[in-house]
Amino acid sequence: EAQVTQNPRYLITVTGKKLTVTCSQNMNHEYMSWYRQDPGLGLRQIYYSMNVEVTDKGDVPEGYKVSRKEKRNFPLILESPSPNQTSLYFCASSLEMSWSETQYFGPGTRLLVL
Amino acid sequence: AQSVTQPDIHITVSEGASLELRCNYSYGATPYLFWYVQSPGQGLQLLLKYFSGDTLVQGIKGFEAEFKRSQSSFNLRKPSVHWSDAAEYFCAVGEGYKLSFGAGTTVTVRA
Repeated sequence: EAQVTQNPRYLITVTGKKLTVTCSQNMNHEYMSWYRQDPGLGLRQIYYSMNVEVTDKGDVPEGYKVSRKEKRNFPLILESPSPNQTSLYFCASSLEMSWSETQYFGPGTRLLVL
Repeated sequence: AQSVTQPDIHITVSEGASLELRCNYSYGATPYLFWYVQSPGQGLQLLLKYFSGDTLVQGIKGFEAEFKRSQSSFNLRKPSVHWSDAAEYFCAVGEGYKLSFGAGTTVTVRA
């Protein structure tokens, strides 16, 4: 089944404790991105990747890192999480960076930083 | 720069009644427009999209949307709502390498 998976789905952590949220797709997609969703703000892009080893900042990259060493995986890294990073995170992918291609979203990761 | 506005935060509709969700965008060029639905605890699912051509777009689950350039709008409609349509709906504009989303409209369906 074609899908985007995220792990973990739920995470509670404390301020300053490094964490990684994984994202994996099995559709051989080139384009992947991360969004965070906050009430009243919709989804905002954190980082995106056009292909392996090609990443760039979105609208809200502060406090986040990403890497794209393999086409299928695009982990989101929080080196030192803070409470303002409590949010719902979504990974998305598409065959290529073209708006004619459908973006597929993962199920989301709900993060609470205490 | 571009932005997406969804004026209605929350809409309540009776089952079987019609539904219209509003979306306005500000964008200089021809926009790439999308509607997504997010059911409780789920990810986002694409309902429909508009790039060019016919301004009335048909989507999945019986939804349609109409692009009106003169009003900078892309409103979503459904003639008869089912209880399973209760969800949060997002309008989005594609520009460059990202989607810009509106704040979302939560739809409640009453029996």
